[in-house]
Amino acid sequence: NAGVTQTPKFRVLKTGQSMTLLCAQDMNHEYMYWYRQDPGMGLRLIHYSVGEGTTAKGEVPDGYNVSRLKKQNFLLGLESAAPSQTSVYFCASSPQGGWPQHFGDGTRLSIL
Amino acid sequence: SQKIEQNSEALNIQEGKTATLTCNYTNYSPAYLQWYRQDPGRGPVFLLLIRENEKEKRKERLKVTFDTTLKQSLFHITASQPADSATYLCALDMDFQKLVFGTGTRLLVSP
Repeated sequence: NAGVTQTPKFRVLKTGQSMTLLCAQDMNHEYMYWYRQDPGMGLRLIHYSVGEGTTAKGEVPDGYNVSRLKKQNFLLGLESAAPSQTSVYFCASSPQGGWPQHFGDGTRLSIL
Repeated sequence: SQKIEQNSEALNIQEGKTATLTCNYTNYSPAYLQWYRQDPGRGPVFLLLIRENEKEKRKERLKVTFDTTLKQSLFHITASQPADSATYLCALDMDFQKLVFGTGTRLLVSP
């Protein structure tokens, strides 16, 4: 049972490039989340989804887009990467709201 | 907006002692409060959840308290071990949809 899998684990981008981070969960969870974690800032919610086909903005959504076309997948896109988006990105899922969240091991993204 | 405060300084204790970590919040009380453990290079792992109408929750060597009057949760690890060394995050559930996380407190347990 893999739980929450994030792809890729590491990536280096140049400013202005685009990329998509993939999150896959095999627990049939309804809710999925994307966070970024920066030193001294803690985990901050970027976007989340309460079910297939739905998305909602979190605390820091600017510069990111998301899609949840399939229940098991939640994609995070950076259309034009900026150095300020250098961070560790975590995906999480939960059966429903108010339940504990299961996290992946993160994607370490550097933007030069 | 909700603000969560966890001690940013590392907590250093000796093996066998009880570690106590603090989570303070402002504004209104959450419905649920959760505690997670995070090891370097890994994602957070859920430990305990406590509801606003519960004063205390226990799981093995772990204990969480929730005081809505003080707007504070305390997380205790009894008989601490070096393997308990990690960063501990508290998270508030305000709306049954998403969590707001604190910045975490690093715990170091020395033999």
